[in-house]
Parts: sequence; structure tokens; C-alpha cells
Amino acid sequence: QQQVKQSPQSLIVQKGGISIINCAYENTAFDYFPWYQQFPGKGPALLIAIRPDVSEKKEGRFTISFNKSAKQFSLHIMDSQPGDSATYFCAAVISNFGNEKLTFGTGTRLTIIP
Amino acid sequence: GAGVSQSPSNKVTEKGKDVELRCDPISGHTALYWYRQSLGQGLEFLIYFQGNSAPDKSGLPSDRFSAERTGGSVSTLTIQRTQQEDSAVYLCASSSKPGAGYEQYFGPGTRLTVT
Repeated sequence: QQQVKQSPQSLIVQKGGISIINCAYENTAFDYFPWYQQFPGKGPALLIAIRPDVSEKKEGRFTISFNKSAKQFSLHIMDSQPGDSATYFCAAVISNFGNEKLTFGTGTRLTIIP
Repeated sequence: GAGVSQSPSNKVTEKGKDVELRCDPISGHTALYWYRQSLGQGLEFLIYFQGNSAPDKSGLPSDRFSAERTGGSVSTLTIQRTQQEDSAVYLCASSSKPGAGYEQYFGPGTRLTVT
């Protein structure tokens, strides 16, 4: 059972363009939604995160848009650069101050071309 | 500062053998997680340790998998009688406190290949 669905599986964007990755979740108990960036041979690293009480969060060129009613959230990378080429994972967490395990989407391989 | 370290970085083993994977979390981090990253299953949670509490083993795929954390620091994931479907990258993460707002820092992973 895939609790967090992510699309597309792969994405090619020209340098300077906008990269958009979408995720949808089933469990309304999720209350924290981080995005992770992973380069080959490295572990994932936190990029940006959002809680469902806000509809948008922006950090530099990275923006999360959140639609609570639709149970969807997306990552937008503005002015995409070749250095952004990586695999991106959305994730969801239930905050219970017990096990805050990450439930991941399946990942999007992003390639930025010159 | 030192991040999460894992060893070995690569491990090739024959089917049926036991393997041990090690994780050194960031010093002072009380929460430690193991995840598995495989082509068919993506990233999936395996086990969680927090301080001296009983670990949450709900993600372990079979009783061939076990893990321990000694002295609240180093953790070892053991896979007994390895199978080809165990081939994956095993990732360890730690965080300073439990709680969704506390970033989980990942190690580089151990790539396990079962032949």
C-alpha cells in the first residue's frame, strides 16, 4: 500500500526553467511533509518542509505548495540549475512524539539540461 | 562536524550468509532510524530507536532482520540467512530529538548485494 504517491518518476528541465514534482497522500493523520534531495552515493538530505496549517513555504528557489483538502503537495524549483540534478523524495510524518518515521514517495529523478 | 557514518560502504555476500551493518549516529542524537532503499520498493522504514525505550520494529520485513543499539549510540543491523531480495542500500538516520520537526540526518548507506 503506497501511502504517499509521487510523480513524475523522472523529469528533464532546461536550465532556468521551473521544476515541479507532485505528491499525494492518503492518511489524514500525516501532519509534517518534508522533501529530501539525494545525490548519487549519498544519503537523502532535508531540503524543505511544511506543516498543513500553511498553504505555501518558500526557501530561496524552493517552494512547497500544500493543498490540504486535496491531500496534495508539490515542490517547485525556480530557475533550475544543473546542480539541482538529483533524486527528490517527498515524505510524510505523523507527529506523535514516538516514532516519527518518514513515509517516502517513490522518488523523482530530476535532470537539468543546459 | 561529523555526520552519520555507516560501514561497510559496500558488502557482497553469498545467499544464506549472515551480515552485520553498522551505524554511528551524530554524537548526542537520541533518535536513530534504519531505512532500506531498493529499486522496487523505494525508501522504507525498518526500525527506530529512541533513548532507552523499546525499539519500534514494525518495519522489519521478516524475523531474519534484527537490530540493536548499544549505549544509546552505535547501532548494528543484522540480517541472517540473507536472500537475494535483501539486496538494497541500507540507510541509517539520526535526529537530536524525537519529533517531526527535528531533521533526520542520513548516512551514506551500505550497499548490500546478495549473490
